[in-house]
Amino acid sequence: EVQLVESGGGLVQPGRSLRLSCAVSGFIFDDYAMHWVRQAPGKGLEWVAGISWNGRSIGYADSVKGRFTISRDNAKNSLYLQMNSLRAEDMAFYYCVKDKERVVGEGLFEIWGQGTMVTVSS
Amino acid sequence: QSVLTQPPSASGTPGQRVTISCSGSNSNIGSNIVNWYQQLPGAAPKVLIYGNNYRPSGVPDRFSGSKSGTSASLAISGLQSEDEADYYCAAWDDYLNGPLFGGGTKLTVL
Repeated sequence: EVQLVESGGGLVQPGRSLRLSCAVSGFIFDDYAMHWVRQAPGKGLEWVAGISWNGRSIGYADSVKGRFTISRDNAKNSLYLQMNSLRAEDMAFYYCVKDKERVVGEGLFEIWGQGTMVTVSS
Repeated sequence: QSVLTQPPSASGTPGQRVTISCSGSNSNIGSNIVNWYQQLPGAAPKVLIYGNNYRPSGVPDRFSGSKSGTSASLAISGLQSEDEADYYCAAWDDYLNGPLFGGGTKLTVL
């Protein structure tokens, strides 16, 4: 069974940092690109960042570029999102998502985790 | 401008056919495939339609997708109460060099 389990969410003050993790099982992790997609409470979906199967190709939404860093450890079957200089508008559910392809491109958000909530508030 | 526009809401009665539109531009829908996602209340999104008009296994054939030019549509026939959910279109945007989601459409089954 394919599983994507996010962790690391919580309450953080504006300007501080937080690191999200996603533990993956049930498929060959290093065969696929991975993404983080977020959803603010009561709002729509927003792609945050994506990383290719080997970590060499990475993309970010303009809203997080320069503040967030996506990475992966294929040996640990894990995906990460380092979030720095957090803002109130970053408050959202963050979903770990498996792509159907190996690279970030015209792919498909094939399988979603259950999400972890990040609350940014003083 | 790189945006996918969906109606915020749609509704229908059981058994009815409902369509949800997704309007984009040449940089996204006009040159890339469209995928649709269904998000049931309190759940994570899941793939409903991929590659403009393909259904993953397990998705009923009541759901269908189409694309023409810079617009796409999701059609749901034989509407059922369990179809009540949020629906999102998505496509790669060549200008942004990243994927775009539509704003989502909340479907209510009356």
